[in-house]
Amino acid sequence: DTGVSQNPRHKITKRGQNVTFRCDPISEHNRLYWYRQTLGQGPEFLTYFQNEAQLEKSRLLSDRFSAERPKGSFSTLEIQRTEQGDSAMYLCASSPRGKAWSTDTQYFGPGTRLTVL
Amino acid sequence: ELKVEQNPLFLSMQEGKNYTIYCNYSTTSDRLYWYRQDPGKSLESLFVLLSNGAVKQEGRLMASLDTKARLSTLHITAAVHDLSATYFCAVDLPNAGGTSYGKLTFGQGTILTVHP
Repeated sequence: DTGVSQNPRHKITKRGQNVTFRCDPISEHNRLYWYRQTLGQGPEFLTYFQNEAQLEKSRLLSDRFSAERPKGSFSTLEIQRTEQGDSAMYLCASSPRGKAWSTDTQYFGPGTRLTVL
Repeated sequence: ELKVEQNPLFLSMQEGKNYTIYCNYSTTSDRLYWYRQDPGKSLESLFVLLSNGAVKQEGRLMASLDTKARLSTLHITAAVHDLSATYFCAVDLPNAGGTSYGKLTFGQGTILTVHP
């Protein structure tokens, strides 16, 4: 397994457009996380899935944001009616937490850099 | 609300010198992580500290956790240029029921530059 993958790596969009990002976690990792990172800051938690269930959403995740993880495999993060303040790096991470062989580490993907013009 | 603070935020070191990055957090937790991020890249896991007194070492880096003081340190020994990066600590705060599901709160990051 080559790690967490994210697509696209870069996305430039105009304000008001909708965008969707995809994350493919490491296989057998039951936990999947989305974070947002702005320049010069640490990542901020957005949401978390255990298998296909979305168990936690940050208040940072406005109604314009929605995330899914159908069948507990890949996940998508959609932003509707994008705003310039949405410009950031969107990071996905997966973890095998809860399994006997777990090291409790979250493995991060390369991120999708969103620029809203 | 959990707050995680790192210091210093900027660290310029000479090769061969030693230094320590500090990570303070505001709420009791016994799960702390250190990550490294190179410019334009994602985060690479360095250490996972899961109990009071935990100490882990990898090469020139050593991390420790004092849950009573709510403090973790990342010690750099005999720095080399390849260690130049941004280092983040992150704390996993259990929910009210005591269950931890990996919701990490990150510090601001320490930008480390190692000069010849």
